[in-house]
Amino acid sequence: NAGVMQNPRHLVRRRGQEARLRCSPVKGHSHVYWYRQLPEEGLKFMVYLQKENIIDESGMPKERFSAEFPKEGPSILRIQQVVRGDSAAYFCASSPSAGNQPQHFGDGTRLSIL
Amino acid sequence: GESVGLHLPTLSVQEGDNSIINCAYSNSASDYFIWYKQESGKGPQFIIDIRSNMDKRQGQRVTVLLNKTVKHLSLQIAATQPGDSAVYFCAENPNTGNQFYFGTGTSLTVIP
Repeated sequence: NAGVMQNPRHLVRRRGQEARLRCSPVKGHSHVYWYRQLPEEGLKFMVYLQKENIIDESGMPKERFSAEFPKEGPSILRIQQVVRGDSAAYFCASSPSAGNQPQHFGDGTRLSIL
Repeated sequence: GESVGLHLPTLSVQEGDNSIINCAYSNSASDYFIWYKQESGKGPQFIIDIRSNMDKRQGQRVTVLLNKTVKHLSLQIAATQPGDSAVYFCAENPNTGNQFYFGTGTSLTVIP
């Protein structure tokens, strides 16, 4: 079984451009989470989605950031008008259901803003 | 070797020795905890978990201890190997949702 797949692994954007990060969860998992990690720091929660629904976006910046998890296809984290401070590693995790259980992580997308 | 996670983010141990990585968590309502291992350029990898109704759980070469009184979690790795070199994070679920709160992490280096 494939794990969580994220692409691209590395993404370079210039300031003002848009960044789209994709995440395909583990097959059969309907719960997706996005986290952000700065160098030498822990992961910070951004958003939790189930199919077609945003359940918790308390960690998401109010502007420029959006996320979706459509009925078909991968989850997308979208960052509009990127700024240098958006440079980070963005990780996606998935789980088969809600509740206390491990979240399975992908290997992340490293976003660099020029 | 032993670390206090937030205050000593790096730990070096000799191959074959036991390692202890510590973590202080913040929310007394947290009822589920996970230790993750993160190697360079990769995502966090699940090691072991523990629920708040337990104070100890063992896996293969790893043991997690939970002290709810002082909100402290530790990961013990027996007979540490070079492949154990990585950053280790504790993560707590405060039972307010499905997000995990991650600690700062401890970088473990195993000296051959």
